Amino acid sequence: ETGVTQSPTHLIKTRGQQVTLRCSSQSGHNTVSWYQQALGQGPQFIFQYYREEENGRGNFPPRFSGLQFPNYSSELNVNALELDDSALYLCASREGGRRGSPLHFGNGTRLTVT
Amino acid sequence: AQSVTQLDSQVPVFEEAPVELRCNYSSSVSVYLFWYVQYPNQGLQLLLKYLSGSTLVKGINGFEAEFNKSQTSFHLRKPSVHISDTAEYFCAVTSGAGSYQLTFGKGTKLSVIP
Repeated sequence: ETGVTQSPTHLIKTRGQQVTLRCSSQSGHNTVSWYQQALGQGPQFIFQYYREEENGRGNFPPRFSGLQFPNYSSELNVNALELDDSALYLCASREGGRRGSPLHFGNGTRLTVT
Repeated sequence: AQSVTQLDSQVPVFEEAPVELRCNYSSSVSVYLFWYVQYPNQGLQLLLKYLSGSTLVKGINGFEAEFNKSQTSFHLRKPSVHISDTAEYFCAVTSGAGSYQLTFGKGTKLSVIP
């Protein structure tokens, strides 16, 4: 069973640029979520996709957007990068529709905005 | 709205000693509760979960947690820690409805001293 994989592992961008982070869900999981973890903080929910549609969003501005593809892989796009966007971005997948099924996390993408 | 408070940001403990990491939550509805562990430069790994039923939940690596509804707590315990338990531990809550958004605490860094 393949777990959640994310790419790239590290990324350095300049303020104002755009970035795309990628995630491959665990086999059999049709729901994917993205979280932002700032240094020294717990992860914060960005949004969730279920069967290619966004079905939940946290307190993040519209410049954070995403996609989920038919094979349940996913992308997180961030436009107009700001210094505060520097964080570890975590992708997590779960088996949607199964009560209490836990989130399985990838190892994250470390984004640094200079 | 739901929230999680982890009362201790850092917990140092000697090897083979017992440890308790405290977690309190607030929510107006029934909740699912989770503990995750994060090793340096890695994603989050599920330790254990409480969905319903027995209030004492056993997880991986010898950890257990007790759900206390009256005190809205879900403290994590281990009777004897190892050096390899040094990591950051996160408590998380979700109502399980809608987007299944997890709300995390700020984490507790457990340092095991040889």
